[in-house]
Amino acid sequence: GAGVSQTPSNKVTEKGKYVELRCDPISGHTALYWYRQSLGQGPEFLIYFQGTGAADDSGLPNDRFFAVRPEGSVSTLKIQRTERGDSAVYLCASSLNGAGDTQYFGPGTRLTVL
Amino acid sequence: AQSVSQHNHHVILSEAASLELGCNYSYGGTVNLFWYVQYPGQHLQLLLKYFSGDPLVKGIKGFEAEFIKSKFSFNLRKPSVQWSDTAEYFCAVKWATGTASKLTFGTGTRLQVTL
Repeated sequence: GAGVSQTPSNKVTEKGKYVELRCDPISGHTALYWYRQSLGQGPEFLIYFQGTGAADDSGLPNDRFFAVRPEGSVSTLKIQRTERGDSAVYLCASSLNGAGDTQYFGPGTRLTVL
Repeated sequence: AQSVSQHNHHVILSEAASLELGCNYSYGGTVNLFWYVQYPGQHLQLLLKYFSGDPLVKGIKGFEAEFIKSKFSFNLRKPSVQWSDTAEYFCAVKWATGTASKLTFGTGTRLQVTL
């Protein structure tokens, strides 16, 4: 079956602009995760959804970052007033049930803030 | 704070050499352990995982890893690497505390296999 998909694959924006990044998880997976990977680093956790609700948003760096998953499937990560330091690859992963399940990663969205 | 350390940042090996990549985590308790691999131009893929039971786990493509609880380690090994193993390798840990589900990753090890 299809894996996790993310759009766009690349996004270039200007400092101060608003961006939305989309994640389409594997069909039937109830758990969805967002991570951010900066150059030379491993992925860092941002937020975890179980169904429609954010079960853990402890990794969101500040209130400019927000994510939704209104129907328990597709998720959107929203970044307001982007800063150059937000430049990174944003990764989405999904797992069947959450908790102990294996997470399957998408290809990521490379965000560049000029 | 919970953290994961990968001591080797860049490893260069000749084909057929043996590989061992180190991974240590900072905090005890019940853990689930993972190694992910990212081949050039591709996304993260699961190589192997440990949840419980036999501490020596085997993954895809001839990789294996050993969980040593007393050392908080989960080192990745392969007896004979191939050029196609050139990739970046990430160790990740999930601590089983409360409803925590997030993975904490190491900084990765870039493996370059030469012919």
